[in-house]
Amino acid sequence: EPEVTQTPSHQVTQMGQEVILRCVPISNHLYFYWYRQILGQKVEFLVSFYNNEISEKSEIFDDQFSVERPDGSNFTLKIRSTKLEDSAMYFCASSVDSSYNEQFFGPGTRLTVL
Amino acid sequence: AQKITQTQPGMFVQEKEAVTLDCTYDTSDQSYGLFWYKQPSSGEMIFLIYQGSYDEQNATEGRYSLNFQKARKSANLVISASQLGDSAMYFCAIYNNNDMRFGAGTRLTVKP
Repeated sequence: EPEVTQTPSHQVTQMGQEVILRCVPISNHLYFYWYRQILGQKVEFLVSFYNNEISEKSEIFDDQFSVERPDGSNFTLKIRSTKLEDSAMYFCASSVDSSYNEQFFGPGTRLTVL
Repeated sequence: AQKITQTQPGMFVQEKEAVTLDCTYDTSDQSYGLFWYKQPSSGEMIFLIYQGSYDEQNATEGRYSLNFQKARKSANLVISASQLGDSAMYFCAIYNNNDMRFGAGTRLTVKP
């Protein structure tokens, strides 16, 4: 069964450093999403992406965040200058289209900022 | 703006009994989708069930059913015949315009 994959599973970085979180969505999916979940809290929407551009973004997704689909398979989330409060689990998800179909979630990347 | 509320931070249920997890939402949109996800202690997000705002029948998926009351803006999840493996966090979410918002979650514990 096809699945969304994410690498790395755990990323540790120093405050102020840039990190790139990688996701490989399911191959025939067209819509891609990033979410984050601070430990013990709810899952928060960051951004959705379609046709090589951002469709929607939340108030959390400020200038330090960016997303990119650098090739036909990867979908990346870049955090430019990490802060302690960026420590969280980051989930990538993809869906076939935007008509309320199931979003398939990846296993997540745990980001720890020291 | 869309908002999801889950008022039960924790719930307990006896194995083999049914349990209802509450979810209410607020949206000004007419067209939206409602989802339930399960998050076990391992952390992954597992899709359980989906209800479209125009669906007249309540969604069912195996032991999961969604009690959708549109006028009351509620989308409660019913798990029948609880199993020990159902112990997890459960998140309700509302989706519209490529934007999905999650509730705070309910931690369900199934007791043997």
